Formats: sequence, structure tokens, C-alpha cells
Amino acid sequence: GESVGLHLPTLSVQEGDNSIINCAYSNSASDYFIWYKQESGKGPQFIIDIRSNMDKRQGQRVTVLLNKTVKHLSLQIAATQPGDSAVYFCGAGYGQNFVFGPGTRLSVLP
Amino acid sequence: EADIYQTPRYLVIGTGKKITLECSQTMGHDKMYWYQQDPGMELHLIHYSYGVNSTEKGDLSSESTVSRIRTEHFPLTLESARPSHTSQYLCASSAPGRALETQYFGPGTRLLVL
Repeated sequence: GESVGLHLPTLSVQEGDNSIINCAYSNSASDYFIWYKQESGKGPQFIIDIRSNMDKRQGQRVTVLLNKTVKHLSLQIAATQPGDSAVYFCGAGYGQNFVFGPGTRLSVLP
Repeated sequence: EADIYQTPRYLVIGTGKKITLECSQTMGHDKMYWYQQDPGMELHLIHYSYGVNSTEKGDLSSESTVSRIRTEHFPLTLESARPSHTSQYLCASSAPGRALETQYFGPGTRLLVL
């Protein structure tokens, strides 16, 4: 069946360094991809999305890269801050719904 | 911040009780969703709705039911709660007709069934 996975369940980075969170998806028909951030005790919050006709999209301090050839998605956070500590989910969408990965917990070290 | 609300935020209840988890959004979104999320695990879609009087089951089988009588309201009901229902339930909505569907999530309801 369809699956979306993350390469690492946890990631620790030093404050100020760049973070890279990776995600793999299985369904080549997926045409829409999204990253969410979920802080403890809160619901997921939209970060950035990308369509399959793009391979890169930038937001404020975040960049999403899409490699359709290997069905891989990554989220890059520049100059990671303590407030970036959270669980990050990727999702792959096709049709009307999304499949979400299990999440990567990002810890920012002082 | 998105205008989507869930109540209660936390619920502890005994086995066999009927419960309804409330979800409301004030954004006029047609599409609404319910996800189940166990601690440290991924989101699983259990129900969704395209609009009033539309309800569909999601990818994960669930013993819960939903209704959509009003656009802004999408309650989820468990007729007889069991310990296996212990989880976090997240409600979301998305704007109609957009090519890029961004789902806005509520804060979630943490359910513990004893």
C-alpha cells in the first residue's frame, strides 16, 4: 500500500545550524507534497507545500526539495532556532487525500 | 492562526460510554477531516467530508461515526468507548477548489478510555 516515511525518527542540531529533514514516499502518482510542524500539545501547523511540477520551493527560512525520480522530499530549515523544536511531518497527496509519514522530532541544542 | 476549534481538549472516560468530539471551523471550508494519531506515530485519516451531508470513511478503519449537518461543524461520535480508542483525534479543514489543498488543523482532543 501507499506509504510515506521519514529517514530518521529524531534529529538534533545546534542552534544556528541548518537542519535537513528527509522523507520518502511510495506512490509515484502523488502530485502534491506538504510539510507540517507539530509542537507538543498542539495540532499540526502548515509550513510549506510543493507540487510535482516543481523541484524546489522556498519560504521564510525553509526550503522544500522534491526529487520525483527517487520519490524523495526534504525540508531544510536555515539557522535553526529553539522555536523550531517540534515534530515535522511530511505528507504526499493524490486525489482527495493525503498520506502522512510518522514524523521526525527535531531538537535544537543550545 | 487558523480558526478551527476542538472540544474537549482532554477527555478521560470509562469503557462503554458514548462520547462526541466536537470540531468547528469558521473559515467556510467545505472539506473537513478527522485524523487519529497515537503518540509518536503518524496521522491516520479516519473520516472526511466534502461538504454538508457528505461523509466518507478514511484509510484507517474506525468504529467512530461522523455527521455533517452544517458546514462549520463536523462532530465525531463513539457509541461505546473502549481502551483501544485511546488516542489523539485531530480535526482539519481545507478550502474548496484550491489546487493546493492546505489543511488547517485544530489543537486535537486527547482521549483516554479506562
